[in-house]
Amino acid sequence: QSVLTQPPSASGTPGQRVTISCSGSSSNTGSNTVNWYQQLPGTAPKLLIYSNNQRPSGVPDRFSGSKSGTSASLAISGLQSEDEADYYCAAWDDSLNGVFGGGTKLTVL
Amino acid sequence: QVQLRQWGAGLLKPSETLSLTCAVYGGSFSGYYWSWIRQSPGKGLEWIGEITHSGSTKYNPSLRSRVTMSGDTSKNQFSLKLTSVTAADTAVYFCARGFRNRGSGSRILDSWGQGTLVTVSS
Repeated sequence: QSVLTQPPSASGTPGQRVTISCSGSSSNTGSNTVNWYQQLPGTAPKLLIYSNNQRPSGVPDRFSGSKSGTSASLAISGLQSEDEADYYCAAWDDSLNGVFGGGTKLTVL
Repeated sequence: QVQLRQWGAGLLKPSETLSLTCAVYGGSFSGYYWSWIRQSPGKGLEWIGEITHSGSTKYNPSLRSRVTMSGDTSKNQFSLKLTSVTAADTAVYFCARGFRNRGSGSRILDSWGQGTLVTVSS
């Protein structure tokens, strides 16, 4: 049972826009910023979005993040086959530990 | 470009101690949160804990009684020990470098090790 709640799956066709939600509480997403990670099969997670809406160098601008209250969202526009992966949100909890969402498996149809 | 490389025993028996080490190449050891995260087969990510270059640690409350993290600044390495392992500790263990922006406690894990599969089986 993960502290942050994500839908287990999402899907879209190439070119579409998909969003993945992440819900927490006042002690984590409500009071700290949210980061997103992309995990391709058999690889380590990769930082995708940090501080709610910032993209690291090299991440395409098709990926965007937002946060409102205790909920955050990751949006992927112009969906591509290589976007098929697991996506995790993460935040710091004020009880002094890191927390992750359960992950969302994105399928490109 | 910083690289993290990790190693340790991959097969343990119940009640043994898991021991992993992560070496940092091409970057400073200071100023970061050196973290361990694990992923059980087919499951999501779980934050285990972190250590700073000064040796300050924070652990996941659910694992705190069994976890010890240490760092060796002279070698740019940090380590994880998890005692009394059971089958529930079977997972891929990742080390990662974290930092945080002012105004938020959230650790931004920007570099990850390759992962080590640790299997606990009798």
